[in-house]
Amino acid sequence: QVQLQESGPGLVKPSQTLSLTCTVSGGSISSGNYYWTWIRQHPGKGLEWIGYIFYSGSTYYNPSLKSRVSISVDTSKNQFSLKLSSVTAADTAVYYCARDRGLRTFDYWGQGTLVTVSS
Amino acid sequence: EMVMTQSPATLSVSPGERATLSCRASQSVTTNLAWYQQKPGQAPRLLIYGVSTRATGFPARFSGSGSETEFTLTISSLQSEDFAVYYCQQYNNWPLTFGGGTKVEIK
Repeated sequence: QVQLQESGPGLVKPSQTLSLTCTVSGGSISSGNYYWTWIRQHPGKGLEWIGYIFYSGSTYYNPSLKSRVSISVDTSKNQFSLKLSSVTAADTAVYYCARDRGLRTFDYWGQGTLVTVSS
Repeated sequence: EMVMTQSPATLSVSPGERATLSCRASQSVTTNLAWYQQKPGQAPRLLIYGVSTRATGFPARFSGSGSETEFTLTISSLQSEDFAVYYCQQYNNWPLTFGGGTKVEIK
């Protein structure tokens, strides 16, 4: 059974960089045709797709965030990471990592981690 | 960006009754439409993909239909565990986008 777990600071100051890591267990991040994805959910709101990375390192980002987002992968640790720069209060959200099984739908999710942007 | 609009925002239904949720796309997504169920404090869970194919673990009382721009999720007889928020997601165009959700609550 694949499991994903987000980790990182729950509080980030405005203008700084948000950094989160997703650790994948129960399967190799390098196996299969999977796209490792970040999705966020603003408090009480809907879901926003941030972007994905393939194990080879190829990425694709939401154009609305592209200038501030970077997703990387560390296959040796079975982890992938999100960096979002120049954050504002509007970036306060629950951040989820998820597995896209190659069909652009998400069959495994982490539990989510709340990141608050505040001074 | 493809805009997904769900209605109603909240649906009050009694246990055992039928629930019908709608999702409209701003342009055609053909059959590249999925539904997710989210319970409080939990991550969303893939419910349906390809408009009508149920994901593992969901019973037959959940069904999806539609095409192009109009889609429906039907829960034929609501059970207590079905009260949740449901999101549609299009995966026909990048970026992938979700609807705003429909909360199904106990009447």
